[in-house]
Amino acid sequence: GENVEQHPSTLSVQEGDSAVIKCTYSDSASNYFPWYKQELGKGPQLIIDIRSNVGEKKDQRIAVTLNKTAKHFSLHITETQPEDSAVYFCAANQAGTALIFGKGTTLSVSS
Amino acid sequence: KAGVTQTPRYLIKTRGQQVTLSCSPISGHRSVSWYQQTPGQGLQFLFEYFSETQRNKGNFPGRFSGRQFSNSRSEMNVSTLELGDSALYLCASSLETAFNEKLFFGSGTQLSVL
Repeated sequence: GENVEQHPSTLSVQEGDSAVIKCTYSDSASNYFPWYKQELGKGPQLIIDIRSNVGEKKDQRIAVTLNKTAKHFSLHITETQPEDSAVYFCAANQAGTALIFGKGTTLSVSS
Repeated sequence: KAGVTQTPRYLIKTRGQQVTLSCSPISGHRSVSWYQQTPGQGLQFLFEYFSETQRNKGNFPGRFSGRQFSNSRSEMNVSTLELGDSALYLCASSLETAFNEKLFFGSGTQLSVL
């Protein structure tokens, strides 16, 4: 089955800096890669996703890149703000069944 | 549109007991999936229900079960609770699939087993 590894587990940045979180996956059949943000006391919320026919996708300060050959994808957050502080999860789909999540990255943005 | 609603928000049980958690999906969503979240293991897929049928199942023992009603509301049950079952249980709803489209998560049920 699919296995998703996520790094780093914690990340601290200064407000205004960029943050990058990386994930690798094992199943070459995976074709959908979402990123979720989880704030304290809440469920995860989708922030951006990418499909395997696209190499990069942007939404304002957030971007995701996908390298199918190397089986890795990354989340890029530019101009970080304190409200970006949360736990971020990457995921990859296991064909026909479910999303398999990485173990999460706790991002802290200090002002 | 109302979001995904999970009840109860918190539960405290003792070993050996059983527990039932409830999830009301977003109106019009037919797929409901359940995840177990723990600090060490992250989010792990339990199962998915679609049209009152379990469509997919993760790698959990048979003590974990669920069902879905005709209005798409879902329940999950854990029997013979163990200490290791302490976790946040998240329900997510989506239009059609649990693996290829946006999932909308509830805030979860925090289960503590003493």
